This record gives sequence, structure tokens and C-alpha cells, in this order.
Amino acid sequence: GEDVEQSLFLSVREGDSSVINCTYTDSSSTYLYWYKQEPGAGLQLLTYIFSNMDMKQDQRLTVLLNKKDKHLSLRIADTQTGDSAIYFCARGATNKLIFGTGTLLAVQP
Amino acid sequence: DAGVTQSPTHLIKTRGQQVTLRCSPKSGHDTVSWYQQALGQGPQFIFQYYEEEERQRGNFPDRFSGHQFPNYSSELNVNALLLGDSALYLCASTETGNYGYTFGSGTRLTVV
Repeated sequence: GEDVEQSLFLSVREGDSSVINCTYTDSSSTYLYWYKQEPGAGLQLLTYIFSNMDMKQDQRLTVLLNKKDKHLSLRIADTQTGDSAIYFCARGATNKLIFGTGTLLAVQP
Repeated sequence: DAGVTQSPTHLIKTRGQQVTLRCSPKSGHDTVSWYQQALGQGPQFIFQYYEEEERQRGNFPDRFSGHQFPNYSSELNVNALLLGDSALYLCASTETGNYGYTFGSGTRLTVV
């Protein structure tokens, strides 16, 4: 995951918006993904964005893609305690996903 | 509709032993990939199987091998286990041509 980087930790208050950031070095990916991992669990696909899009919105989730800066972000509106988890950014490569190291989101009540 | 199922959920093995992990893909999916997730890290790609053949392999030694069966289910085998093989092993499935990967809950392997 050395070419996909994320900050390690984010703490927010319940009801606030959370923004998780990701940068990558290889711009050849067709799709970029956000996955959520709760303690002791596998990965849950939250959303993905095609590389020719700038933004994708899905209920409380908004993904922004800046291809020029190779920057991807995930905004969670009205963050709830149930959103506490590790969030992984991943880029699609041929027949595989390349993941970042994950961002731990802690939601304070 | 069952998603990706993996077995067993937890496993403890001794150094030098061999282990087999199993994965059943989501209904309708024909491609299975395996990932290793060490503690505090993101998942690392091991290999992908399609049409019962290894289609792509990540940077893992030959001690890691796999198999895909005609019903699309898959096995991951690890020989000569090392302490460093302790990790969560995740199986992901997809349908050819589809860009969404569905992950299972993983098998937690501990090597002592």
C-alpha cells in the first residue's frame, strides 16, 4: 500500500461531518474505492467512483476526486457513533485492489 | 442471498505447519481473490483465481498457493508457516467485468 496514503486517525463529534482523505501516486486506476472495516470484521464496500468523475453522492456519503492532485476524499454527513470504524481507500489495478493503511474514525457522543 | 463466506473464522497453528483456508464466493461471482491483512495494515493482494487458474499473483512466496473449484469456491494453502504469517486472510469475489469486490469476514490465523 505504499502508493496509497491516508492519515491514521480522525476524531469527530456525533452529528458533525467527517472528511477522510487519501492520496495516491499512480493515476492509471479506472476506479477508486472506499471500504469500511469494523472491529473483527471483513471489509464493507461503501462506494466507488469512476476516474472520469469529480464527485459522487450516495445518501450521507460524498466522494470527491481531484485527479490532478491525485487526491480522493470521503465525506460522511451527520456522523453517528455507528460510523466508528477503520476506513480504507483503495485504487483499482489490473485484477486487484491496492489499499492504503486505513484511517481510524472515532466518533465521540 | 449469502455474501462471501469463509471458513474457519479463527485458526491457531504451529510454526512449520500447513494450513488451508476456504472461501465460497457470492452467488453469481466467478472470480476469487485472496488478501492478507496484518495487524494495523491495509490488505495486501496475494492472488486471484478465475476459471480455475491463477490469473495474477502479488508479492508473496511460493509457500502461498491456491485453488479454484468448478463451483467457483476457492482454497488458500500456506506451507511451512512462519510467525509472520499471522494475519487476517480475506477472500473477495467479483463477477468478471464488474469493478465491485465483495469481501468475506476473513479467517484470523495465528501462528505460534
